Order: sequence, then C-alpha cells, then structure tokens
Amino acid sequence: AQSVTQLDSQVPVFEEAPVELRCNYSSSVSVYLFWYVQYPNQGLQLLLKYLSGSTLVKGINGFEAEFNKSQTSFHLRKPSVHISDTAEYFCAVSSNTGNQFYFGTGTSLTVIP
Amino acid sequence: EAGVAQSPRYKIIEKRQSVAFWCNPISGHATLYWYQQILGQGPKLLIQFQNNGVVDDSQLPKDRFSAERLKGVDSTLKIQPAKLEDSAVYLCASTRGSYNEQFFGPGTRLTVL
Repeated sequence: AQSVTQLDSQVPVFEEAPVELRCNYSSSVSVYLFWYVQYPNQGLQLLLKYLSGSTLVKGINGFEAEFNKSQTSFHLRKPSVHISDTAEYFCAVSSNTGNQFYFGTGTSLTVIP
Repeated sequence: EAGVAQSPRYKIIEKRQSVAFWCNPISGHATLYWYQQILGQGPKLLIQFQNNGVVDDSQLPKDRFSAERLKGVDSTLKIQPAKLEDSAVYLCASTRGSYNEQFFGPGTRLTVL
C-alpha cells in the first residue's frame, strides 16, 4: 500500500514571496503523484500530476512540482504567491495501475498581505 | 459538460439512524470514487468502482457502510447505523480512466448527533 506525508500542516507566507509545500510518499511499487487544491468553501481541483517522463511538472496558476524518486518526495513550489493562493493543498499518491489512491492530511497555505 | 452531482448537500441525523448519499458522475466517466473527509484531515478513499465493479474497498467499514453502482453510472453510499464518528464530508469523484484527473463533486456534509 501507499502512504503520503505532508510535513507542514500550516504555512504562512507573505504575498509575492516564494513558497514550498513538502510531500513525501512511501510505496513498494511505482506510483503516480498528484497535488490538489481546495479553496475555501469549494471542491477539490487538480493542480498538477506526475505519471511518467520529466520529473519537473508544471501545473495551473504558476505552480510546479518535482518528483524525486531517491528522496521519495514530490514538493510543490511557486516562485511568487498571491492572496488568491490561500487554500488547503493536498498531496496524493496512487499505484501506477491507478488504484489505491491516498491523500495526505493537507497543508493550509495562508498568504499574508 | 456538467460536473459531478451529489445529493443531499447537507444531512443531520441521530446516531443509530441510517442515511444514504447519491452521486451522478460526469457522463462517460467509467471510474467513480467515494471519499470520507473528516474535518482537518485529507480525503480517505472508501471505495472505487470501475463501471459497476468494485476495484478497491479496503478502507470501507463494511459492517456499517455499503455502496453500489448497479448500472455503472450513478452510485449510492449508505451508512447503517450511523455513529458519531461518521460526521464528515462525503465526496464523490469520477474519472474517464484510472490514470486521469479526478473531478470532485461538492460533497455531502453529514452531521451525526
């Protein structure tokens, strides 16, 4: 089975500063990795995903993530955050058959004006 | 295209009562997921359907939870009898295939008193 650890439950950051949200996973098989965002009072939506190929993945709203197999990590980054990025961010992993989907506990990103 | 539909949006019941949630996925999406999201936690996969067959129900508390997707389209999740710890948001998601982006519905917020 897979598991996901999001190392920071809350991340405050000033507007226009860079941010990194950390995600580590464990699995005995090859995995697919995902980042989802949940804005206040809204449903979950996909930010980006890694299935195969280039380890640097670009997503919506200027976010990117890098798959590091040796460190079993998939950290999410943005070079300059905006107030509108305030939300809950979830890292998720599945087996490479698309089954056994697991979410992390989430990181609450608060952008401070 | 229409999104994932869920009903009801809110439900309040007494413990030991029964409750059912309904989900209609995006047209043509073969894979359907039910998640439980307890306040402050990430979504936990309860069951995954591929068409009308169960792919993964390893985290479904089968003594009280049941789910079906009889015609491979819409799905029902039932809790019988409910416990206080079942208070959560129940999310339904669907994908065209197992490897693709999951599209989430708005969720059903269940409160068990």
